[in-house]
This record gives sequence, C-alpha cells and structure tokens, in this order.
Amino acid sequence: AQSVTQPDIHITVSEGASLELRCNYSYGATPYLFWYVQSPGQGLQLLLKYFSGDTLVQGIKGFEAEFKRSQSSFNLRKPSVHWSDAAEYFCAVGSGGGADGLTFGKGTHLIIQP
Amino acid sequence: DTAVSQTPKYLVTQMGNDKSIKCEQNLGHDTMYWYKQDSKKFLKIMFSYNNKELIINETVPNRFSPKSPDKAHLNLHINSLELGDSAVYFCASSQGEAEAFFGQGTRLTVV
Repeated sequence: AQSVTQPDIHITVSEGASLELRCNYSYGATPYLFWYVQSPGQGLQLLLKYFSGDTLVQGIKGFEAEFKRSQSSFNLRKPSVHWSDAAEYFCAVGSGGGADGLTFGKGTHLIIQP
Repeated sequence: DTAVSQTPKYLVTQMGNDKSIKCEQNLGHDTMYWYKQDSKKFLKIMFSYNNKELIINETVPNRFSPKSPDKAHLNLHINSLELGDSAVYFCASSQGEAEAFFGQGTRLTVV
C-alpha cells in the first residue's frame, strides 16, 4: 500500500530564511508526487507536481521540490520565506491515472517568525 | 469562475439529522472525489467517481452515500449524523494523470 510520511509536524522559520519541508513516500511503481498548501479556512492549492523527467521541479510562489528515487523523497524548498507562506503543507502521492485519488501525508504546519 | 465549488461552506447540525453537501466542477473533468479532513488535518479519500461511476469506496460507514447525477456534480449525503462525523469535507476533481483540484471545503459540525 502506498504511504507518505512528513516527519515534521511543525516547523518554525524566520522571515527571509530558507525552508525545507521533508516528504518520504512508499509506492510500488513510479509515483506521481504533489505538494499542496492549505491556508487557514481554505481549500488545497497545488504548489507543484512531479510526474517524470527533470527531478527538480519548479512550482508557484517560488517553491521547488526535488525527487530523489534512491531516498524515496520529495522535499519542498524555498530560498526565502515570506510571512504569507505560513500555512499547512501536504505532500501526496498518486498513481497518475484512473480514479485512485491521492494518499496524503499528515501535513507540516509552517510558522513564520518576524 | 470557481473551478470546484462546494455548498454549504459551514454546516452545523444535531446528531441524528440527515444532511447533504453539494459539489460542482466546471473544469470538464471526468473524475470527482470526496475527501475527509479530520481534526488533526489528516486527509483521507472517501469516494471517487469516474464519469458518474463509483470507482473507490473506502471504508466509510453506509450512512455516507455519494451521488453523481452527471460528471460535473458529486453530492454527499449523510444519514443519522454522529458526533464523529464532524470534520471538513473536500470535493475534488481531476482529469487523467493530472493533479486534483480541490474545493474550499465544507466544515461539518455535529452537536
């Protein structure tokens, strides 16, 4: 069965500092990987996705993620965070077709210190 | 134009009542989903429909019944509501191997 682990429940980062959110997955075939962000009281917005090809993917709002098959990881990074980045971040894995849906990690709550 | 819209956004109801949540997508997607987000923010798929056909029905009580009148709509009806049903319910849609688009969520509170 597929699974996603986000080891950090909470992360606190100073505004302007760099950010890395960790994600490890377990999946039998080639995974389709996603990062979503959820602001308070809002739905989920896609930040970026990896299906194939270049293992470093660029997303919206200055985020990027790197797929490392050997480590079963898909970590999210941002070189300089802004106060508006405070939110819940979810890593997810899918099969890339049909109607299987996504398996989500438990999320990482990002707090930005002034 | 909202891509995936859910109504209502908030729903407060008493135990034992029956309620419905409606979802509509204007993206032309073939697949729609219901996800449940619990109080710890954990998201889990409940159902998926592809072209009005039920594909996934995770371990969800029979009190939950999805209905898809057409491929742009997927409604969720819940009978005999229980305290444990309190959660945020998200509708989503996708097409092929592309990403899922989520609605704003419906916060259900059972009192």
